[in-house]
Amino acid sequence: QVQLVQSGAEVKKPGASVKVSCKASGYTFTGYYMHWVRQAPGQGLEWMGWINPNSGGTNYAQKFQGRVTMTRDTSISTAYMELSRLRSDDTAVYYCARDSAVAGTVWFDPWGQGTLVTVSS
Amino acid sequence: QSALTQPASVSGSPGQSITISCTGTSSDVGSYNLVSWYQQHPGKAPKLMIYEGSKRPSGVSNRFSGSKSGNTASLTISGLQAEDEADYYCCSYAGSGVFGGGTKLTVL
Repeated sequence: QVQLVQSGAEVKKPGASVKVSCKASGYTFTGYYMHWVRQAPGQGLEWMGWINPNSGGTNYAQKFQGRVTMTRDTSISTAYMELSRLRSDDTAVYYCARDSAVAGTVWFDPWGQGTLVTVSS
Repeated sequence: QSALTQPASVSGSPGQSITISCTGTSSDVGSYNLVSWYQQHPGKAPKLMIYEGSKRPSGVSNRFSGSKSGNTASLTISGLQAEDEADYYCCSYAGSGVFGGGTKLTVL
């Protein structure tokens, strides 16, 4: 079955960077864009951007431009999201989610289990 | 893109029907059938419930339905069950993704 498995929880200091991984299985990794979405404690969902695993092309939400880098390693069907210059308000659960791969429409299914990133001095 | 507007909370008794609204603009919700809906139980990842405004993925109960009128999309849950108690989020994508603020559904 289609599955996304993310790396474990991280604790980082302000100003540091974090890199979260998302390993895909059960489908052709290069056939579907991968999105990243985050959720601060007690808050709603926030879209961060996507990566095209086939070409490596990316599209980042304006809010994260300059701080986020999405990459992939097709040899191990894994997508990565790196966020730099971390602040306390970056404390959140970070999710990867597979794109629908249907032209003209986007939905997210399935989702990874989430990775808690805590930013604290 | 501004966040889509959802009510903070809705409630209903078992067996009843409830509707959650999701209001955007003519540039997102109003322009395309690109609205999707997600259910999230506490401590769990979101789960796709509706896509392209009104389509249900395989395995999702037909008690869940989606619709749209103008710039407002809606999720209706009929025959409420205790297991439906969760947070629900709408999402629209038009070049970039935007979510609603989420609605907490309480089954009384």
